[in-house]
Amino acid sequence: AQSVTQLGSHVSVSEGALVLLRCNYSSSVPPYLFWYVQYPNQGLQLLLKYTSAATLVKGINGFEAEFKKSETSFHLTKPSAHMSDAAEYFCAVSEGRFGNEKLTFGTGTRLTIIP
Amino acid sequence: DTAVSQTPKYLVTQMGNDKSIKCEQNLGHDTMYWYKQDSKKFLKIMFSYNNKELIINETVPNRFSPKSPDKAHLNLHINSLELGDSAVYFCASSQDLPRKDLGSTDTQYFGPGTRLTVL
Repeated sequence: AQSVTQLGSHVSVSEGALVLLRCNYSSSVPPYLFWYVQYPNQGLQLLLKYTSAATLVKGINGFEAEFKKSETSFHLTKPSAHMSDAAEYFCAVSEGRFGNEKLTFGTGTRLTIIP
Repeated sequence: DTAVSQTPKYLVTQMGNDKSIKCEQNLGHDTMYWYKQDSKKFLKIMFSYNNKELIINETVPNRFSPKSPDKAHLNLHINSLELGDSAVYFCASSQDLPRKDLGSTDTQYFGPGTRLTVL
């Protein structure tokens, strides 16, 4: 069975500082991994995804994530935080078995940007 | 143009009532999903349909019944609403089911959500 753990339900960083949101996964097969962002009162928007190609994945809005199999991690980073990055971030895993696609989400991390 | 739309955006109703939430996607996708997000922001899949066929049915009470009249629509009907059904319900769609042999998986696009409050 697949699962996701996001360390830190709340993360605060200063504007311009490094953003690091942590995600560890558990999967019985090589996983597909995703980061989604949810702005207040809105749906989820895909930031980036890992699908067994390059281990360093670049996404929208300057975010990137690195898949580390040995650490079962897929941490999300951004070199310089912007006020508009304040949102809830969800890591998700899928085992992608044909005919049984489903995303299993972590509990989310709320990112606050300090001016 | 809205890719995945849901109606209504907000739904407030009494316990015991029956209600429906509608979802439509204009992306030409073959697969649609329903997710439930609880008060702690935890998201969990409920159902998925591929070309109108039920593919995933997680452990969801029988009071919840998805209906897909065509591949662009996946509606969620809930009978005998309970307090614990209060949540935000998200619809999503993707082009197709994943092809592990091709190393591909399709991005799921989410709707804006329907906030259901059961009083």
